[in-house]
Formats: sequence, C-alpha cells, structure tokens
Amino acid sequence: AQSVTQPDIHITVSEGASLELRCNYSYGATPYLFWYVQSPGQGLQLLLKYFSGDTLVQGIKGFEAEFKRSQSSFNLRKPSVHWSDAAEYFCAVGPGTYKYIFGTGTRLKVLA
Amino acid sequence: NAGVTQTPKFRILKIGQSMTLQCTQDMNHNYMYWYRQDPGMGLKLIYYSVGAGITDKGEVPNGYNVSRSTTEDFPLRLELAAPSQTSVYFCASSYSFSDDQPQHFGDGTRLSIL
Repeated sequence: AQSVTQPDIHITVSEGASLELRCNYSYGATPYLFWYVQSPGQGLQLLLKYFSGDTLVQGIKGFEAEFKRSQSSFNLRKPSVHWSDAAEYFCAVGPGTYKYIFGTGTRLKVLA
Repeated sequence: NAGVTQTPKFRILKIGQSMTLQCTQDMNHNYMYWYRQDPGMGLKLIYYSVGAGITDKGEVPNGYNVSRSTTEDFPLRLELAAPSQTSVYFCASSYSFSDDQPQHFGDGTRLSIL
C-alpha cells in the first residue's frame, strides 16, 4: 500500500542550528515528492518538490531535500534554522489512490 | 491574486445542524479538493473535482456533500453535523491533475461541533 511516514511528531532545535526532518514513503514506482509547511492558522505552502533528475532539490526559504531511492526517503534539511521556521511540516507523495498522500506532519519548535 | 479563499474561518455548530463551507479560487484551476486535518492524522481527502459539474469521493466522504457549478467555487456541505466532524477543513486547487502539479491551499476553516 502507498504510504508516507514522518517518524518525528515534534522536533525542537535552537536558532542557528541545522535541521533535518525525516520522510519515508512506500510506493511501487518512482514517486513525485513534496514538502509543505503550515504556519499556525494558515494553509499549507509548498516548500519544494521532486519529480526526476537531480536528487538534491532546492526550495524556498533556504530549504533543501534529498531523494534517496535506496532508502525510500525524502528528508528535508536546512543548514541554519531561524525562529520564523517554527511551523508544522508535511511530506506528501503522488500519485496515490487519492492523488496525494500526506504524512502526519512534524511540528518544529525553535528555541531562541 | 487572492488564491484560494475559504469562509468562514471559524464556526461552532450544534449537533444536527447543517452548514456550508465556502471555497473559491481565482487562478482558473480546474481541479479542486477538500481535506480535513485532525491532530496527528495529517490531511485526509474528502471530495475532489476535476471541473465544473464533476465531483468524486475521496478517502473520507461520509457525512459530506459537494457541488461544483462553476470553475471558481467548490462548497462543502455538512447536512447533519456530528461531533466526529470537528476538524480543520482545507480547500485546495491545482492547475491540472498531473501528479507534478502542487496544490494551492486556503487558510482553513476551523469547525467545532458541540
């Protein structure tokens, strides 16, 4: 069955520290992969996406993600976290049975 | 551009009441979606539409209805509100049904059923 797993429900990092959010997927073919960010009280905003080609993709707000087929992973990274990055992050995979399958989210807290 | 606009932003309903959650987009997107978001559960697709006059069920359609009379609007109807429908509802749209097209989301409607 197609699925997306975000193993970390909550992550806390200090401002200026590096960040890695994990995403693992189960899919029978090459997936299309997305990372979205949701700020409190807001909808979801696309950070980056992967379809093919270079497995390291750059997104907005200084984020990047690396597709690793052998590990079925698409982890999100940022070298230096800012307080404004505190939000909830969702990994998503397409195509799924209902076109897009979302993970359960990782809530990021940033300490000053 | 306004993007995807949802109204209302908050609502409290009594059990058994009905209401319509409004969603409109100004990007001329053919494809529109309704999701619900529950804590620790991610987003679940309720209904989607591939164009005016065409709708289909998603993963969790029970208790909801939709219509799509225009390209811009995709309202979600709750006929008999139940406590299990307490959630945050998101409307989204995309240019095509291609899997490489990201979705644009509204800011959500927070609904409580008491």
